[in-house]
Amino acid sequence: DAGVTQSPTHLIKTRGQHVTLRCSPISGHKSVSWYQQVLGQGPQFIFQYYEKEERGRGNFPDRFSARQFPNYSSELNVNALLLGDSALYLCASSLTASPAYEQYFGPGTRLTVT
Amino acid sequence: GESVGLHLPTLSVQEGDNSIINCAYSNSASDYFIWYKQESGKGPQFIIDIRSNMDKRQGQRVTVLLNKTVKHLSLQIAATQPGDSAVYFCAEIPFQGAQKLVFGQGTRLTINP
Repeated sequence: DAGVTQSPTHLIKTRGQHVTLRCSPISGHKSVSWYQQVLGQGPQFIFQYYEKEERGRGNFPDRFSARQFPNYSSELNVNALLLGDSALYLCASSLTASPAYEQYFGPGTRLTVT
Repeated sequence: GESVGLHLPTLSVQEGDNSIINCAYSNSASDYFIWYKQESGKGPQFIIDIRSNMDKRQGQRVTVLLNKTVKHLSLQIAATQPGDSAVYFCAEIPFQGAQKLVFGQGTRLTINP
């Protein structure tokens, strides 16, 4: 079975631009969570979606938004990019609405903002 | 508050020795703890978990110990192998039913031949 997939794998953007990252969960998983991992640190929670509804949000500015589609895939959008947004963006999927107990992570999208 | 920290950023061990990676947490209400392994270019991979009502749990070559009195947990890897080289994170669920994991900074484990 395929695991969590993310696209693109790498991305380079300029300050002020907008970016869209995509995630496909494991088949049958209805919950998707997004994490930001800055180099040398642990992942930080951004969003969690279950059944297309936002169920949790971390301490990130409104420049960050996300949505989940009927097929449970998800997009993370970041507007007005800053240098500090450079990070590995991880997507995790799980079966249940309380996803923290059984999360499976994708390989991430490496975003570089110049 | 919600914070998980690690005592050491790097750990170097000889192949075949046992490795111990430590983690401190501050939230006494934390319900559940997980150790993840992250290899270069990959996302975190689940290793082992432990609920707050337990003090020890064993898996294949790994053991997690939880000391709630001092808010400390550790990951023990037996007979460390080259494939164990990675960054190890402890993570906590800050309260029962929480939607998120709170990760620590991570410890890089290096295996010497």
